Amino acid sequence: SYVLTQPPSMSVAPGQTARITCGGNNIGSKYVHWYQQRPGQAPVLVLYDGSVRPSGIPDRFSGSNSGATATLTIIRVEGGDEADYYCQVWDPNGNWVFGGGTKLTVL
Amino acid sequence: EVQLLESGGGLVQPGGSLRLSCAASGFTFYMSDMTWVRQAPGKGLEWVSALSGSGQTTYYVDSVQGRFTISRDNSKNTLYLEMNNLRADDTAIYYCAKMGGGAYRQRLESWGQGALVTVSS
Repeated sequence: SYVLTQPPSMSVAPGQTARITCGGNNIGSKYVHWYQQRPGQAPVLVLYDGSVRPSGIPDRFSGSNSGATATLTIIRVEGGDEADYYCQVWDPNGNWVFGGGTKLTVL
Repeated sequence: EVQLLESGGGLVQPGGSLRLSCAASGFTFYMSDMTWVRQAPGKGLEWVSALSGSGQTTYYVDSVQGRFTISRDNSKNTLYLEMNNLRADDTAIYYCAKMGGGAYRQRLESWGQGALVTVSS
């Protein structure tokens, strides 16, 4: 089955840039979606199709996808961005596949 | 505004059964593919099952195939997950979600707040 690999955790200072990666075999050929899950809350879609922001998501969030890695970039990080972030793709073998999640800590 | 409200969670013994419901509003339910995702305590997200808008096509993760059944009642705008022969490793928060996007690119656009299922003796 298809596997998505994310770093378990990362930390960034307020105002800096966070880059969260999601690795997968030829992931650049797939549509990647990203979710934010704040503590105790349900996930929220923050990017879809690699780089499209749903209504209400600030333009500080952006994404890219090429080769074996998709990346979620958050510029000017704020305390409210502290959360778990998950990437997700649809795969014919595994259907809807999630990465293991990355815990973003804002220092 | 899209709203999804899960219910039916609770404590059940191993081998027991439970049915989750997800009441939907704010969108055209019968036209939307729907899905269930779960999250074990302190763990990541795991996709469980999905169902087409018509109710004709179902999908399951291997670990629940044959034990869980997803269904919907479009006249009631409600999604269901019937869970049988429950095991301890089924313990999780179960989220229902509305899906969007076309083939090969479906994303989970809106999520409910989740229902906790605890399997324990």
